[in-house]
Amino acid sequence: AQTVTQSQPEMSVQEAETVTLSCTYDTSESNYYLFWYKQPPSRQMILVIRQEAYKQQNATENRFSVNFQKAAKSFSLKISDSQLGDTAMYFCAFMRTGNQFYFGTGTSLTVIP
Amino acid sequence: DGGITQSPKYLFRKEGQNVTLSCEQNLNHDAMYWYRQDPGQGLRLIYYSQIVNDFQKGDIAEGYSVSREKKESFPLTVTSAQKNPTAFYLCASSPLENYHQETQYFGPGTRLLVL
Repeated sequence: AQTVTQSQPEMSVQEAETVTLSCTYDTSESNYYLFWYKQPPSRQMILVIRQEAYKQQNATENRFSVNFQKAAKSFSLKISDSQLGDTAMYFCAFMRTGNQFYFGTGTSLTVIP
Repeated sequence: DGGITQSPKYLFRKEGQNVTLSCEQNLNHDAMYWYRQDPGQGLRLIYYSQIVNDFQKGDIAEGYSVSREKKESFPLTVTSAQKNPTAFYLCASSPLENYHQETQYFGPGTRLLVL
């Protein structure tokens, strides 16, 4: 079975600072996808970033970047220059090719002005 | 605008009543999914469908039913057999390439409360 673990239930960061959210996963597969989704207070799930396991280069999307360590099965999200609008729940998700998604329990991030 | 719509935003269910949550997408995605979200837990898969007139149970299908008569629609019925239905329900869809799904895109959700 695939599992996704987010060990930080809550985090906070000062506005304009950098914060890193952790995610580990367990799989025996070699080809898969990893995602970070953001769920603001509106509860709309928004895709933040996606990483394909066969790509060694870490994905980036503007202020968001990941540190993908395949051997360690680690997939952390770094948010640079944090903004108030980044306040949200962040979910890490794993998808094996052709199969369903598995979500972590989420990290609640608060950006402090 | 292309997207996924869910209705209603809030839904109240009385004891012993079946209620149906609507999910529609105009993204021309093949696959659609229903998730349940409870406080302190991640999303759990209820049902999914990769093609019209076909669907599969997810991890927590008991007490729920679905249909997929049209590509763009995937309604979820919460039956009276579901003893703890109070939760936030999210619908998602994804395109398929060679029968493999890619990124999932989500609707705005429906909050179901039991009276």
